[in-house]
Amino acid sequence: NAGVTQTPKFRVLKTGQSMTLLCAQDMNHEYMYWYRQDPGMGLRLIHYSVGEGTTAKGEVPDGYNVSRLKKQNFLLGLESAAPSQTSVYFCASSDRGNQPQHFGDGTRLSIL
Amino acid sequence: EDQVTQSPEALRLQEGESSSLNCSYTVSGLRGLFWYRQDPGKGPEFLFTLYSAGEEKEKERLKATLTKKESFLHITAPKPEDSATYLCAVKESYGQNFVFGPGTRLSVLP
Repeated sequence: NAGVTQTPKFRVLKTGQSMTLLCAQDMNHEYMYWYRQDPGMGLRLIHYSVGEGTTAKGEVPDGYNVSRLKKQNFLLGLESAAPSQTSVYFCASSDRGNQPQHFGDGTRLSIL
Repeated sequence: EDQVTQSPEALRLQEGESSSLNCSYTVSGLRGLFWYRQDPGKGPEFLFTLYSAGEEKEKERLKATLTKKESFLHITAPKPEDSATYLCAVKESYGQNFVFGPGTRLSVLP
C-alpha cells in the first residue's frame, strides 16, 4: 500500500520562482493537510481540505495556495518563492477530522 | 494562545533503561491528543490517540497516559530501534487545526 505519496522529494528554487508540490493518497480519505516543519518548531498547518473541491486556511497560509480538484490529490503551490519558505513540507490525510493523520515522507524545499 | 510543549528536548538512554517523555498543552477544548514517532528523513508515524483524562493506551514497550494538562509517553526497557523523535499533537475543539509540539529526540544506546 502506497498510503500518502509526495512528489518531488527534493527541490531547489531561486527566489521568485514558482512551483507546485503534489500529494496523492490511496486510502479514500476525506481530509487532507499540508504542513511545514522547521528546526526546533512543531509542524505548522498551512492549508487543509475537508473534501473534494474544498480548501481552508491553516495557521500559516500566507504565500501558499492549494487546490483539491480530485479527492485523492491535494496540491500546494508557491507563486513567488521566498527564502523564508525553505522548509520540509509534509502532506497528511485522515478519514475524519479528529482521527489520526497518515503522513507522506516529505518534500525538502530550498529557496536560494 | 494554544500551545504544546514537550520535555525533555533530547533524551539519551541505555538499552533497558525505562523513562518517560512529557507533553504539556494549553488548548481551549481538547478533541484528542496524538502521539507520533518520526524517523530521520521520514514523515510522522501514528502511535496513539487519547481523548479523555485518565485514558491509557499501550503498544509493545510504549504506554501513553493523559491528564487534563499533560500526557506522558512511558518507554519500558527501550531498545535501540526505539530511537526516534516523538511528537505529540492536540486537536482543538474548533476548526481543523492540530497544534504540534517540537518533539523529543530519543536515543537508545546498546
